[in-house]
Formats: sequence, C-alpha cells, structure tokens
Amino acid sequence: GDSVTQMEGPVTLSEEAFLTINCTYTATGYPSLFWYVQYPGEGLQLLLKATKADDKGSNKGFEATYRKETTSFHLEKGSVQVSDSAVYFCALSDAKTSYDKVIFGPGTSLSVIP
Amino acid sequence: DVKVTQSSRYLVKRTGEKVFLECVQDMDHENMFWYRQDPGLGLRLIYFSYDVKMKEKGDIPEGYSVSREKKERFSLILESASTNQTSMYLCASKGQLQETQYFGPGTRLLVL
Repeated sequence: GDSVTQMEGPVTLSEEAFLTINCTYTATGYPSLFWYVQYPGEGLQLLLKATKADDKGSNKGFEATYRKETTSFHLEKGSVQVSDSAVYFCALSDAKTSYDKVIFGPGTSLSVIP
Repeated sequence: DVKVTQSSRYLVKRTGEKVFLECVQDMDHENMFWYRQDPGLGLRLIYFSYDVKMKEKGDIPEGYSVSREKKERFSLILESASTNQTSMYLCASKGQLQETQYFGPGTRLLVL
C-alpha cells in the first residue's frame, strides 16, 4: 500500500541555518504531496503542497519539489528562525474518491536555537 | 477563517470508563476524520465519515466507535477506555472536492 518515509529527527539547527527534511513516498497512482506543520500545543496545518510531477510548493520561505523519478518531496528552507520550531509531517493523498485518506509520515521534530 | 474545535484539550479517565471526544467544524465540510498521534508512529486514522450517519473504519478502529448525527459534528467514543488508548487525538475535516484537511488543536487523553 501507499506509504511515506521521512527522517525522524529530532533535528536541531542554529538560527539562519539551512534546513532540509527528506521525504520519500511509495504510491501506486499519481498522488498529491503535502507538508503539514504542527506548532507546539496545536493541531496540524497545511504548509505547502504539490499536485503533479515537477510542481514546486512554497510558503513562508519553505519549498518542496515533487520529484517523480526519485519519489521524493524534500522540504527546504534557506534560513530558519526560532519560530520555525515545530514538527513537520510529509503526507500523500492518492485521490480516488472524494473522501480518500491522507497517509502521513512519522513526523520530524525541528528545534531552532538562537 | 476555517475552524475545527475539539471539546477538551486535556482529559484524564480511568480504565473501563466510557469516553466521548467531540469535534465540531464550521466549514460545512462533508468529510471528517479522527486520528491518534503517537511518538514515532505519526498520525494513524481511526475512523472517518463522508456524510451524515455514514462512517468508515480507518487503519486502527478497534476499541473505538464514532457518531455523526449532524454534518458539523463528529464524535469519537471509547466504549471502555484502556491504558493503551492514552494518546493525542486529532480531528480533521475536508470539503468534498478539496485535498487539504483542516485540523483541530487535539485532545490529549490519559487513561489511568
């Protein structure tokens, strides 16, 4: 079945460092790919998404490119801030019905220190 | 703004108690979901509903049931709570033609 693998962390970076969180997926169809973020004490919220190969999703300085050839959707940010400390979830949705499931990765905890 | 609310942020219950977790969304979404979140396991789908009075089992439905009597409300029921149901429970909703799920803040449940 469909699955998502991502580095689990925790990842600790200094402010202004470059961030990469790796995500790879397995899917039988042509899924949409997502990054969700969970700030401390809150639910998940969508950070960015891409719906087809070579699409780039971007938001708040974060970017991820849908790479079909490597089945990857790595999250990157050029200069992290303390406020980026959160748990990041890679996810896919292989749309077949209107109520299809989203498959989440295990999450990667990021701590940014001043 | 989109809003999903959950009835409690923290709950402490005893083994064997019946537990109700409620979720309400104000976006007129057709689809609603209950997940549990555990360290190292990410989010696992318990149940989902695609319409009023309709429900489908997710990946880990054992020990849980759900109720959807109104479109905006989706309840998760633990018939007889057990210690292995100690977890964070997240509710989400989604429009029928959308891909993005909107999450509530979560309920952290401790079963003693």
